[in-house]
Amino acid sequence: DVKVTQSSRYLVKRTGEKVFLECVQDMDHENMFWYRQDPGLGLRLIYFSYDVKMKEKGDIPEGYSVSREKKERFSLILESASTNQTSMYLCASSLPLLGPASSYEQYFGPGTRLTVT
Amino acid sequence: SQQGEEDPQALSIQEGENATMNCSYKTSINNLQWYRQNSGRGLVHLILIRSNEREKHSGRLRVTLDTSKKSSSLLITASRAADTASYFCATVAGTYKYIFGTGTRLKVLA
Repeated sequence: DVKVTQSSRYLVKRTGEKVFLECVQDMDHENMFWYRQDPGLGLRLIYFSYDVKMKEKGDIPEGYSVSREKKERFSLILESASTNQTSMYLCASSLPLLGPASSYEQYFGPGTRLTVT
Repeated sequence: SQQGEEDPQALSIQEGENATMNCSYKTSINNLQWYRQNSGRGLVHLILIRSNEREKHSGRLRVTLDTSKKSSSLLITASRAADTASYFCATVAGTYKYIFGTGTRLKVLA
């Protein structure tokens, strides 16, 4: 079974702090994603990575950065946390969408509920 | 917004009844998927219906797709209390992007 783990289930941080959210997958997936989930807004893509050291901005990248130094690990960084970043953060991984080993299925971690006070 | 709209937003039914939820997009639909999310957890993939399919079954799940109307529906038959969860549709846009719907919260009463 594919397993995607996230470093924390719950996190409380103060405004202005630098926050690191870690995600690890064990299926050698090329693609990794960070989403935030807010009530009534569904999932919104923050950043996407398709290979080590490669990243693409999603729909709401402002205030966030990412790092992918190893294939299995994708980190989301909040440079200076603000109260409007209080949310549920979900990491996901998948095979490529195109090519011989493609798949459309995303595998999600359990989520990190971040509260910024 | 590119997001998919789902209705109803919330649905409460008795155990044994069927649950139907709908999803529609303003953009074209490509390989539509449905996911389930238990409270406070990550999403789990349920079923994929490809763009050239109109209907697909998997166990108690039945999914339909109408690409001309840019819409899909998920039917859960003979629902159980364990089906209580939020359900999201997702379509693929481009080479990596998934566009999720806003979700339907289903509550099945025992």
